[in-house]
Amino acid sequence: QLQLQESGPGLVKPSETLSLTCTVSGGSISSSSYYWGWIRQPPGKGLEWIGSIFYTGSTFYNPSLKSRVTISEDTSKNQFSLKLTSVTAADTAVYYCARLPAEDSFDYWGQGTLVTVSS
Amino acid sequence: DIQMTQSPSTLSASVRDRVTITCRASQSISRWLAWYQQKPGKAPKLLIYKASSLESGVPSRFSGSGSGTEFTLAISSLQPDDFATYYCQQYNSYPYTFGQGTKLEIK
Repeated sequence: QLQLQESGPGLVKPSETLSLTCTVSGGSISSSSYYWGWIRQPPGKGLEWIGSIFYTGSTFYNPSLKSRVTISEDTSKNQFSLKLTSVTAADTAVYYCARLPAEDSFDYWGQGTLVTVSS
Repeated sequence: DIQMTQSPSTLSASVRDRVTITCRASQSISRWLAWYQQKPGKAPKLLIYKASSLESGVPSRFSGSGSGTEFTLAISSLQPDDFATYYCQQYNSYPYTFGQGTKLEIK
């Protein structure tokens, strides 16, 4: 059974960099059948796609965040990661990692991790 | 960006009711639409993909329809476990976008 687990600091100071890792078990991120993505949800609000990565390393970002976002992968650890620079309180959210079959929707999700931006 | 608009934002219904939720796209997305269910404190769960395909393990009381710019999620006979928030999402083009959500409440 595929499982995804987010990890990283739950508190980040304003102007610093948010860094999260998604560890995948029960499947390989090197599969050519899937993309891997990040989605966030501010408290009490809706869902926002941040970006996705393919096993080739190709990345796709939301233009609203593109200047601050980097998604990368470590196939040796079966992990992919999110970095968001210059964070503000508006970046406070639950961050989810998820799997996308090629050209399809998010079929497996991690449980999510709350990241609070505060001094 | 393609804007996704759901209606209603809140829906009150009773067990065994049939309910429908509508999702409209600001431009045609063919059938590249998914529906998710989310319960408080949990990750979204995929219910429907490609507008009308039922995800494995999802009860058959859930169904999806539509194409182009207008889509519907129907629940044929509400069960207590169905009271949650529902989101539509388009994956026709980047950036992927979600509707604002529909909260299904017990009447």
